[in-house]
Amino acid sequence: DAGVTQSPTHLIKTRGQQVTLRCSPKSGHDTVSWYQQALGQGPQFIFQYYEEEERQRGNFPDRFSGHQFPNYSSELNVNALLLGDSALYLCASSLEWGNDYNEQFFGPGTRLTVL
Amino acid sequence: DAKTTQPTSMDCAEGRAANLPCNHSTISGNEYVYWYRQIHSQGPQYIIHGLKNNETNEMASLIITEDRKSSTLILPHATLRDTAVYYCIVRLNYGGATNKLIFGTGTLLAVQP
Repeated sequence: DAGVTQSPTHLIKTRGQQVTLRCSPKSGHDTVSWYQQALGQGPQFIFQYYEEEERQRGNFPDRFSGHQFPNYSSELNVNALLLGDSALYLCASSLEWGNDYNEQFFGPGTRLTVL
Repeated sequence: DAKTTQPTSMDCAEGRAANLPCNHSTISGNEYVYWYRQIHSQGPQYIIHGLKNNETNEMASLIITEDRKSSTLILPHATLRDTAVYYCIVRLNYGGATNKLIFGTGTLLAVQP
């Protein structure tokens, strides 16, 4: 059973460019959350998708957008990249009503470097 | 902002128990205590969670004080592979919009040979 997968593993972009990161949730999971982790910090919640809709959003600008597909996979898009967007981007999947604690399973992340 | 406070770092000798404290003095009655860990260059991994009773699984034990204002994660026999950043998180425990995790900066546990 494959866990959460993310692509690409690493990415280098320049300021002003746009980037798309991809996530495939753990088999059977229907909810995807995205987190940004700057160096030396804990992950920060960006947003969560359920039933192809953004359900909740953290304190991130509109440059950060996402999408969830019918197969529950998800994309994170960041426009007009800034140097400060350099971080590890983590995807986590969970099952809305599968168990009593909705454990979130994290992928290995995508390391984005903005030059 | 994170609702928990943890020491920045701790050391533990291999084979000994590692006791990681966490303060959550503003926890509400329906919030659970969760622990995740993050090994270098990997995504966070769920360890254990609890409401008010002590909990144990194959990875660790969780001791929550009676007033629920603090807790301790116990790794009974630490190994070098347990070297990681450990995050203590409080959150509501049902699906929906409350599912997000609010991480602090965690405790870097260094297990020494």
